[in-house]
Amino acid sequence: GAGVSQSPSNKVTEKGKDVELRCDPISGHTALYWYRQSLGQGLEFLIYFQGNSAPDKSGLPSDRFSAERTGGSVSTLTIQRTQQEDSAVYLCASSPRGSGGNNEQFFGPGTRLTVL
Amino acid sequence: QQQVKQSPQSLIVQKGGIPIINCAYENTAFDYFPWYQQFPGKGPALLIAIRPDVSEKKEGRFTISFNKSAKQFSLHIMDSQPGDSATYFCAASAGRGNKLTFGTGTQLKVEL
Repeated sequence: GAGVSQSPSNKVTEKGKDVELRCDPISGHTALYWYRQSLGQGLEFLIYFQGNSAPDKSGLPSDRFSAERTGGSVSTLTIQRTQQEDSAVYLCASSPRGSGGNNEQFFGPGTRLTVL
Repeated sequence: QQQVKQSPQSLIVQKGGIPIINCAYENTAFDYFPWYQQFPGKGPALLIAIRPDVSEKKEGRFTISFNKSAKQFSLHIMDSQPGDSATYFCAASAGRGNKLTFGTGTQLKVEL
């Protein structure tokens, strides 16, 4: 079956511009996560959506970052007024999070963002 | 504050060797400890995971050893192969389905 997909795969933008990154989770997965992976670093949690609950935004690094999830499926991560330090690979993951299931998060291939 | 510390940063072993990657955590609320494997240009993929009620879990050539009192866990890869060359991340979460806190990764190279 189809895995998590993300678009675009690469995005180059100029400092100060806004960008939108898209994530299509695995069908039926109720949980969706965004992480950021900077060069040579581990993955840093950004935001987590679970069903209709209020999202966990505790990882967003500044108010320039926001995300939404429409209809419990597709999610968009928006970065306003991009800065060079925002350059990273942005990874999306989804999880079924069933009551008897585990916490396996299935990751997409990521969007590589470069801010010039 | 880095809550999961991973070492070594990089590792080179010969084919057939047993690379060991170590992680230590601080948050005693963590109760789920997965290992992810990542190839260049790809997203991480779950390799194996353990919960703190067991001290060891084995799946194929991959084994997790877990020491709850020391707050440490490690990944062993038996009979390593060149195809195992990848970056490995340990992670931890508190509560099922919750956000993962990742280590900084170990770049493994298995040489012929």
